[in-house]
Amino acid sequence: AQSVTQLDSQVPVFEEAPVELRCNYSSSVSVYLFWYVQYPNQGLQLLLKYLSGSTLVKGINGFEAEFNKSQTSFHLRKPSVHISDTAEYFCAVTLNQAGTALIFGKGTTLSVSS
Amino acid sequence: DAGVIQSPRHEVTEMGQEVTLRCKPISGHNSLFWYRQTMMRGLELLIYFNNNVPIDDSGMPEDRFSAKMPNASFSTLKIQPSEPRDSAVYFCASSRDGAKNIQYFGAGTRLSVL
Repeated sequence: AQSVTQLDSQVPVFEEAPVELRCNYSSSVSVYLFWYVQYPNQGLQLLLKYLSGSTLVKGINGFEAEFNKSQTSFHLRKPSVHISDTAEYFCAVTLNQAGTALIFGKGTTLSVSS
Repeated sequence: DAGVIQSPRHEVTEMGQEVTLRCKPISGHNSLFWYRQTMMRGLELLIYFNNNVPIDDSGMPEDRFSAKMPNASFSTLKIQPSEPRDSAVYFCASSRDGAKNIQYFGAGTRLSVL
């Protein structure tokens, strides 16, 4: 079975600082990896995905993530955050076969202050 | 293109009443997922369908919960009778086979059971 661990439940940062949100996964088979963002009182929006190929993936809003198979990690990074990046971020994993469900981490709340 | 549409957005009901949540997936998507989000438990998968057939309902908390997908464009999640501990945000998501399990989420239904 697959599982996802988000290592930080809350990450407070100042505006324009870099940020890294950590995610580790567990799976004995190949998986797809995702980061979703949830703004207050909204649904989840896909931020970026790793399906195959290049281990560095770029997403919307200047975010990027690096897939590290040996460390089973998929950490999310942004070099300079904005107040508007304040949200909850979810890492998720799914098997690379059609029609299977996502397994989500518990989420990390990113709070950006001025 | 219209996204995943959920209704109602908010539902307030009294304990013991029947509650029905509705979801219209994105046209052409053949997998549909129901999730529940609470502060304590995070995002939990309740049930998912592929081609209108329930694939995994192991996340459904108990017999008070039921879900149906009578056709490719509509699904319901019913709670009967409702209890205060059912208060949560319920999300519906859909995906398309061949699209690497990328799920698109609705805005959610915030349920309050008094």
